[in-house]
Amino acid sequence: DQQVKQNSPSLSVQEGRISILNCDYTNSMFDYFLWYKKYPAEGPTFLISISSIKDKNEDGRFTVFLNKSAKHLSLHIVPSQPGDSAVYFCAASANSGGYQKVTFGIGTKLQVIP
Amino acid sequence: DSGVTQTPKHLITATGQRVTLRCSPRSGDLSVYWYQQSLDQGLQFLIQYYNGEERAKGNILERFSAQQFPDLHSELNLSSLELGDSALYFCASSVVEGRGEKLFFGSGTQLSVL
Repeated sequence: DQQVKQNSPSLSVQEGRISILNCDYTNSMFDYFLWYKKYPAEGPTFLISISSIKDKNEDGRFTVFLNKSAKHLSLHIVPSQPGDSAVYFCAASANSGGYQKVTFGIGTKLQVIP
Repeated sequence: DSGVTQTPKHLITATGQRVTLRCSPRSGDLSVYWYQQSLDQGLQFLIQYYNGEERAKGNILERFSAQQFPDLHSELNLSSLELGDSALYFCASSVVEGRGEKLFFGSGTQLSVL
């Protein structure tokens, strides 16, 4: 049961343009959402997060939007840079028995073309 | 550098064998998570420990076991290895932020079962 879905396995974007990565979830108990970036041969690194009480969070070139009614979040990267080429994982967490249980999507591979 | 240390980086072994993967969390972090990433798969949660106690179990096979020691380092034991166990195994430690929990990942152990 895929509770966090990233339906686009890959995405190619021209340098300088906007990259939009999408994520859908099914569990309405999720109350915190995160994006992680992963380069080859490295572990995932935290990128940006958003609480369910917000609909937008911005950090430099990265903005995450949350649409709770649609159970959808997206990550916008503007402008995209070649160094942004990586796999992006969407993650969601919910309180489960007194602790936060984190569920990851399968990732979207972003390629930014110079 | 996330501060999470995993050893070894690479492990090549044969079917039926047993291996141990080791993880040292960031200084001060009490939680340790283990994840498996197979080809074309997302990050599959295996197990979580908190201050030496097992807190949550995910899709962990009975052939796999883990523990967290008093010094907070953790080991993941994989036995009776099969070809399908070949994967990248990540360890993560965490810090609670507001309503969510941010994970810090090690660089992983690439296990190849031949």
